[in-house]
Amino acid sequence: AQTVTQSQPEMSVQEAETVTLSCTYDTSESNYYLFWYKQPPSRQMILVIRQEAYKQQNATENRFSVNFQKAAKSFSLKISDSQLGDTAMYFCAFMNNNDMRFGAGTRLTVKP
Amino acid sequence: DGGITQSPKYLFRKEGQNVTLSCEQNLNHDAMYWYRQDPGQGLRLIYYSQIVNDFQKGDIAEGYSVSREKKESFPLTVTSAQKNPTAFYLCASSPRGQETQYFGPGTRLLVL
Repeated sequence: AQTVTQSQPEMSVQEAETVTLSCTYDTSESNYYLFWYKQPPSRQMILVIRQEAYKQQNATENRFSVNFQKAAKSFSLKISDSQLGDTAMYFCAFMNNNDMRFGAGTRLTVKP
Repeated sequence: DGGITQSPKYLFRKEGQNVTLSCEQNLNHDAMYWYRQDPGQGLRLIYYSQIVNDFQKGDIAEGYSVSREKKESFPLTVTSAQKNPTAFYLCASSPRGQETQYFGPGTRLLVL
């Protein structure tokens, strides 16, 4: 079974600085998808970024980018120019054949 | 507005009572999912449905039941067999052939 590990339960960053959230996963599959979701205090799950495993190029979405290392099974999220609104739980997720697996999450606090 | 709605936002259940959580989407998505989230944990899959009148068990289906009579609706019933139902329940949907799941706002279920 696929597993997703987020080793940082909590992190904090100063406003306008950069922070990287870690995620590793375990799978024997070669084709899959990886996601980062954000869950603010409202508890709505919001898609931040997605990556297809067959693509070597790292995905970017404005201030959010990933470092996808397929051989190492690593999928970290970098948030640049952190904003107060980035304060939330961040979940890494792995998807293969309709089976979505989530990590336990990293609580990120952006400090003014 | 297009989106996924869940109702109610809060739900209280008495011991031995069945309750049904509503999930509706007007995005014309084929697949729909139910997840459970416990404090400090990621999401765990309860049930999913890829087409009308068909659904599959997830990792924690015991004590839950679903139906998919219409494309836009995927209600979840928490039965009295579910011994620890207090949790946050999230519904999601995804378009045909796409892996990205989009989430509703969630329902908080509390047992009295």
